[in-house]
Amino acid sequence: GEDVEQSLFLSVREGDSSVINCTYTDSSSTYLYWYKQEPGAGLQLLTYIFSNMDMKQDQRLTVLLNKKDKHLSLRIADTQTGDSAIYFCAETTDDTDKLIFGTGTRLQVFP
Amino acid sequence: EAQVTQNPRYLITVTGKKLTVTCSQNMNHEYMSWYRQDPGLGLRQIYYSMNVEVTDKGDVPEGYKVSRKEKRNFPLILESPSPNQTSLYFCASSFSGQGRIYGYTFGSGTRLTVV
Repeated sequence: GEDVEQSLFLSVREGDSSVINCTYTDSSSTYLYWYKQEPGAGLQLLTYIFSNMDMKQDQRLTVLLNKKDKHLSLRIADTQTGDSAIYFCAETTDDTDKLIFGTGTRLQVFP
Repeated sequence: EAQVTQNPRYLITVTGKKLTVTCSQNMNHEYMSWYRQDPGLGLRQIYYSMNVEVTDKGDVPEGYKVSRKEKRNFPLILESPSPNQTSLYFCASSFSGQGRIYGYTFGSGTRLTVV
């Protein structure tokens, strides 16, 4: 079945890099996404990667995909206090528009 | 501005009192969906709609109804709310097929408390 898992918490010092990890089980995943949810707000799409890619970089964000191990990660360089939020990974498969979400990782950035 | 609008943002109600959470999008999207967010469980899909008059159950449809009479609106109906439906609800939309590529546009959420 479909299952997407993340660790629940991550705490980093301002200026360090953050790495948020995600594992998924569905081998027919086509796109994988990272969403950010700030307190009291909806979900904002940060970035996405197609399943035939290994890496995607967008400014401070780097997404790594290991399709063999079904492992996705989001690296945030030079983490700032404004990056404090919940981060969700999500996937879609090749036969549906349904977004399957992970449990979310709460990132806390301290000075 | 392209957006998904949910109302109300916050709602406290009593067990058994029917309520409707509205969702409207102005992007002419075919696909719309409702999710609920609970701590430690992430977002789970309640219902979705591929187009007008086409709706289907998601992963946790029990206790909910939806309708899609117009393309822009996708209300979520709780006929007899119970405390286990206390949650944060999100409506989302996308162009059909493109949701797989670009993800969804989400509303700002509705925090529902059933006492």
